[in-house]
Amino acid sequence: DVKVTQSSRYLVKRTGEKVFLECVQDMDHENMFWYRQDPGLGLRLIYFSYDVKMKEKGDIPEGYSVSREKKERFSLILESASTNQTSMYLCASIPRRGQGNTGELFFGEGSRLTVL
Amino acid sequence: GQQVMQIPQYQHVQEGEDFTTYCNSSTTLSNIQWYKQRPGGHPVFLIQLVKSGEVKKQKRLTFQFGEAKKNSSLHITATQTTDVGTYFCMFSGGYNKLIFGAGTRLAVHP
Repeated sequence: DVKVTQSSRYLVKRTGEKVFLECVQDMDHENMFWYRQDPGLGLRLIYFSYDVKMKEKGDIPEGYSVSREKKERFSLILESASTNQTSMYLCASIPRRGQGNTGELFFGEGSRLTVL
Repeated sequence: GQQVMQIPQYQHVQEGEDFTTYCNSSTTLSNIQWYKQRPGGHPVFLIQLVKSGEVKKQKRLTFQFGEAKKNSSLHITATQTTDVGTYFCMFSGGYNKLIFGAGTRLAVHP
């Protein structure tokens, strides 16, 4: 079974703290994604990575950065957490496919971050 | 950019009633996927539709892809309490760009 593991299910941080959210997948997938999920807004893409050391901004990258030093690991970094970054963060991965044939997206369990 | 509209946002049904959620796009889609997220859980893949007019069934769930490949629906017959959750459609908006509908949250009253 494909497994996408997020390091923390629940985190509580203070405004201004640096926050690391780690995601590891064990199926050698090229593509990895970070989404945030908020009530009424669905899933919004923060960043994605299609290869080691490669990254692209999603729809809401402001206030976030990412790191992909190894194929299996994709980290989301909040340099200075703010209260409006309180949310559920979901990591996902998918193997590289040709355009038009996406394949199944595998999600981690999610990390619920509260910024006080 | 490409977007998909998913309706309704919420649906409350009595157990045994049917339920349908719709996704509509202004542009032709190469494929569409459906996911289910249980309360407190993460989205889980249900199915992918690729062909124009395609219909697929999974027990009480029926998935359709429109003839013009611009809309899709998920229909649940005779809902059960285990169907509770949020249902999302998703499509590929280009290489590595995956776009989700806002989701339909289903509540089932016993």
